[in-house]
Amino acid sequence: AQKITQTQPGMFVQEKEAVTLDCTYDTSDQSYGLFWYKQPSSGEMIFLIYQGSYDEQNATEGRYSLNFQKARKSANLVISASQLGDSAMYFCAMREAVIIQGAQKLVFGQGTRLTINP
Amino acid sequence: GAGVSQTPSNKVTEKGKYVELRCDPISGHTALYWYRQSLGQGPEFLIYFQGTGAADDSGLPNDRFFAVRPEGSVSTLKIQRTERGDSAVYLCASSPKPRGGGTNEKLFFGSGTQLSVL
Repeated sequence: AQKITQTQPGMFVQEKEAVTLDCTYDTSDQSYGLFWYKQPSSGEMIFLIYQGSYDEQNATEGRYSLNFQKARKSANLVISASQLGDSAMYFCAMREAVIIQGAQKLVFGQGTRLTINP
Repeated sequence: GAGVSQTPSNKVTEKGKYVELRCDPISGHTALYWYRQSLGQGPEFLIYFQGTGAADDSGLPNDRFFAVRPEGSVSTLKIQRTERGDSAVYLCASSPKPRGGGTNEKLFFGSGTQLSVL
């Protein structure tokens, strides 16, 4: 079974600093996808970034980058130049092996609550 | 609005009652997902629709849970004989049809329905 582990229940960072949120995963699949979602207090999950298991380059999306270390089975999220609006819950997720085309059956970690201090 | 809409935002019911939770996906999105998020946890997959049919319902916890999407748009999650353990936030997500068989399409989530079973 696939599993996502996020070991940091909470993180506190000063505004404008960079922050790394940890994520490790466990799977026996060769092909898989890794995602990061942000969940502000409004409750909706907001997609941040995606990394495919065969992608050789680390994914980047604006201030977000994913530090993908396949051998270590880690997919840490790096947020550069943090902003007050970055305060939220952050979830790492893995797409299970595709059985039905298009299925995004995600397994989520427990999340990390990030607080940006002014 | 243009996002995924879920109603009601909050639902309080008594143990043993029947509830229906509604999801309006983004127009044109063929895939629709239901996830359940218990307090302090990441979301857990319940069911996936591609069009009108439930392509994967392996996450439904038992036969008290049922979901429909009769016209391939709006979906309703139905819970019979509710139990206190059903209390959670029920999240709906949609995504467009994958292009070229890819499966890295991000999910667009609604803000969820907070279900409280007393």
